[in-house]
Amino acid sequence: EVQLVQSGAEVRKPGESLRISCKASGYNFHKYWIAWVRQMPGKGLEWMGIINPDDSEITYGWAFQDQVTISADKSFSTVYLQWTSLKASDSGMYYCARRGDCPNGVCKDLDYWGQGTLVTVSS
Amino acid sequence: DIVLTQSPGTLSLSPGERATLSCRASQRVNSGYLAWIQQKPGQAPRLLIYAASIRATDIPDRFSGSGSGTDFTLTISRLEPEDFAMYYCEQYATSPRTFGRGTKVEV
Repeated sequence: EVQLVQSGAEVRKPGESLRISCKASGYNFHKYWIAWVRQMPGKGLEWMGIINPDDSEITYGWAFQDQVTISADKSFSTVYLQWTSLKASDSGMYYCARRGDCPNGVCKDLDYWGQGTLVTVSS
Repeated sequence: DIVLTQSPGTLSLSPGERATLSCRASQRVNSGYLAWIQQKPGQAPRLLIYAASIRATDIPDRFSGSGSGTDFTLTISRLEPEDFAMYYCEQYATSPRTFGRGTKVEV
């Protein structure tokens, strides 16, 4: 069974650093890209970026370039999202999601999702 | 970036009724790589439809997607109580991927 299990809720102060994780199981980790999606309180979904766990190729959404760092560790089948200096506006729910495969040449996207990690940044 | 505009913002319907949700793209979505995603309160999103019209695994056939180019539609033929939720469209033809702002289907 494919599963993406995310790390637990975090509370930090502005200026602090943070790394949250998304551990994959039930499939061949290095074959599927993983994306991060933000959802601010009461708002919609925002695509942050995506990583190829096989070679760590990354594409960031414009609003998140230079704001966060996405990385992967194949030995732990885990993808990470990291901040070096949090802001209050980084508060929200963060989801990881797998980019699906391409059965019969037609590709899926975001076919499996993690349960979400709630990040609260407050002084 | 491709901007996706969903309408209406809110759809007020009753169980058993038909729901029609629209997603319009600011430019052509190549290969029809448009997905519909459902999110219920307090839950993670779930993929319903990919490539504009293909139901994801275990999605009931009352959900159907259609469209191409810049105009896409999600139809729920007969609303069940569990279908009242937020629905987002997402284009994955080009990077960065983008989401619409969502349509809330409410009772």
